[in-house]
Amino acid sequence: GDSVTQMEGPVTLSEEAFLTINCTYTATGYPSLFWYVQYPGEGLQLLLKATKADDKGSNKGFEATYRKETTSFHLEKGSVQVSDSAVYFCALYPSGGYNKLIFGAGTRLAVHP
Amino acid sequence: DVKVTQSSRYLVKRTGEKVFLECVQDMDHENMFWYRQDPGLGLRLIYFSYDVKMKEKGDIPEGYSVSREKKERFSLILESASTNQTSMYLCASSFRGTNGYTFGSGTRLTVV
Repeated sequence: GDSVTQMEGPVTLSEEAFLTINCTYTATGYPSLFWYVQYPGEGLQLLLKATKADDKGSNKGFEATYRKETTSFHLEKGSVQVSDSAVYFCALYPSGGYNKLIFGAGTRLAVHP
Repeated sequence: DVKVTQSSRYLVKRTGEKVFLECVQDMDHENMFWYRQDPGLGLRLIYFSYDVKMKEKGDIPEGYSVSREKKERFSLILESASTNQTSMYLCASSFRGTNGYTFGSGTRLTVV
């Protein structure tokens, strides 16, 4: 069945470092892809999305490109801040019909000053 | 912006109590969902609903039920709370899944 695999955390970075969180997926057709962020004690917030191959989603300095050929949707940010410390979830919505979002396990990011 | 409001941020209940977790959304979304989130287990879907009075079991429905009498409100019911239901509960809604879900802030439930 459809699935999402994220790199295991925690990821620990210094402020202003470059961030990559890897996400790969297994799905038929052309799913929609998402990154969500969860700050401590909060619910999930949609960070960015892409609905077709080669689309780039971006928000708050974060970017991810929908790569059909490598079935990937890696999250990147050029310069992280302490306030980016959170758990990041990759998710996919399968194509066709009534489906549900499929989430990865989440990757915790800790940014130190 | 779409808002999904969960009635309580923190809740402490006793074993055996009947517990109601309420969720309301204000954007006329058809689809609503209840998840629980536990360390190391990620997000697990309990129940979902694609329309009023309609409900479908998710991956872990045992010990829970739901009610959706109005489109904007989706309630999760713990019929007889147990300590293993201590968790963070997240409600979400969507219009189309391709737009993603909007989540509430969560309810941290402790059963003692």
